[in-house]
Amino acid sequence: QQQVKQSPQSLIVQKGGISIINCAYENTAFDYFPWYQQFPGKGPALLIAIRPDVSEKKEGRFTISFNKSAKQFSLHIMDSQPGDSATYFCAARYPTSGTYKYIFGTGTRLKVLA
Amino acid sequence: DSGVTQTPKHLITATGQRVTLRCSPRSGDLSVYWYQQSLDQGLQFLIQYYNGEERAKGNILERFSAQQFPDLHSELNLSSLELGDSALYFCASSIHRDLNSGANVLTFGAGSRLTVL
Repeated sequence: QQQVKQSPQSLIVQKGGISIINCAYENTAFDYFPWYQQFPGKGPALLIAIRPDVSEKKEGRFTISFNKSAKQFSLHIMDSQPGDSATYFCAARYPTSGTYKYIFGTGTRLKVLA
Repeated sequence: DSGVTQTPKHLITATGQRVTLRCSPRSGDLSVYWYQQSLDQGLQFLIQYYNGEERAKGNILERFSAQQFPDLHSELNLSSLELGDSALYFCASSIHRDLNSGANVLTFGAGSRLTVL
């Protein structure tokens, strides 16, 4: 119940294409859903995040779509660029004992071909 | 630079040894999380501290321990090291002053790469 299931494990997209990464969850106590981008040898960096009372959030070429009833959310990268090649992690946060716990998906390795 | 500082960046040691990884959170952040990332694996939550107190434990081995000091920096101690402990160890910090704030998300450091030979 505390898991966040992420798919696909890896993704290859042509430059200019749309990259789509999906995540699903069970725990309705999750109250915030961030996406992190990680380049090789670096720490994950916050990319974009959404609250469950919002169905979509867009920041530049990155969009989160959120379906509360289906307990699913996805990251869309429009006009994908080679520089977007990285590993992407979805995450979910829930409050517990006056603090937060974060559950991460298993990651998606994205490769954008030039 | 995320504001979360981890040292050392790289560490090579032998099986059976003990190492200490250090993390300084972003200025003002009270909470520190430790994660382990093995090769091509996801982020495994180890332990969380909030303002000096342990708040949550994940898949942390008994050979591992951590603490958060009064100045809020944290140390992760790994002992009786095994080959399988080779991994990237990340520290992340968060504010946790306002539970309703969207600002309460994790900021990660650059990690400490541990190689056990």
